[in-house]
Amino acid sequence: RKEVEQDPGPFNVPEGATVAFNCTYSNSASQSFFWYRQDCRKEPKLLMSVYSSGNEDGRFTAQLNRASQYISLLIRDSKLSDSATYLCVVRRTDSWGKLQFGAGTQVVVTP
Amino acid sequence: NAGVMQNPRHLVRRRGQEARLRCSPMKGHSHVYWYRQLPEEGLKFMVYLQKENIIDESGMPKERFSAEFPKEGPSILRIQQVVRGDSAAYFCASSPPPESGANVLTFGAGSRLTVL
Repeated sequence: RKEVEQDPGPFNVPEGATVAFNCTYSNSASQSFFWYRQDCRKEPKLLMSVYSSGNEDGRFTAQLNRASQYISLLIRDSKLSDSATYLCVVRRTDSWGKLQFGAGTQVVVTP
Repeated sequence: NAGVMQNPRHLVRRRGQEARLRCSPMKGHSHVYWYRQLPEEGLKFMVYLQKENIIDESGMPKERFSAEFPKEGPSILRIQQVVRGDSAAYFCASSPPPESGANVLTFGAGSRLTVL
């Protein structure tokens, strides 16, 4: 079983709509959680860290559920520029430098 | 403030040749990480280094792969006797030391290796 699992999508979203997707992680020693964004054939870029109480950054809202071991990302008022692959990333307590990446969820925002 | 610099961006090698990928961290960053991304897959951790020291190499294949981060110059990921399965995007990331409170890695644009 993969340590971090994501629905690969694609999620086809009309411009202006809301889209949400989850990521599950298997290791309860996971300590830190992030969403990265990766555009086609480019480097991953940090979208936001995910905090225990949930957090919002503009149109993006992230939630963490430690009991069920999943994190979620919600994008409101989708823009064409939101089209990308969203990577769920987990860091374990015992390995600071070793991030565990999900394979990504593809989001396609259509006009 | 230049970000993480990787070169070459694209590298083509024939089976059996050597590949050397270089990474210069962001200014002020002392820790370097190498990740590999195979087509249609997520990034996989390979190795974590600080200058002159390998901190965690648990993701490195046992043979043909090595990494270093010398006192002077960039970090280098070296792949000897490349095989087709080594074709991938190799991403380098850097960060300040963990004890600084830094929590985030910054990635370079990647080096895409194609083995013919």
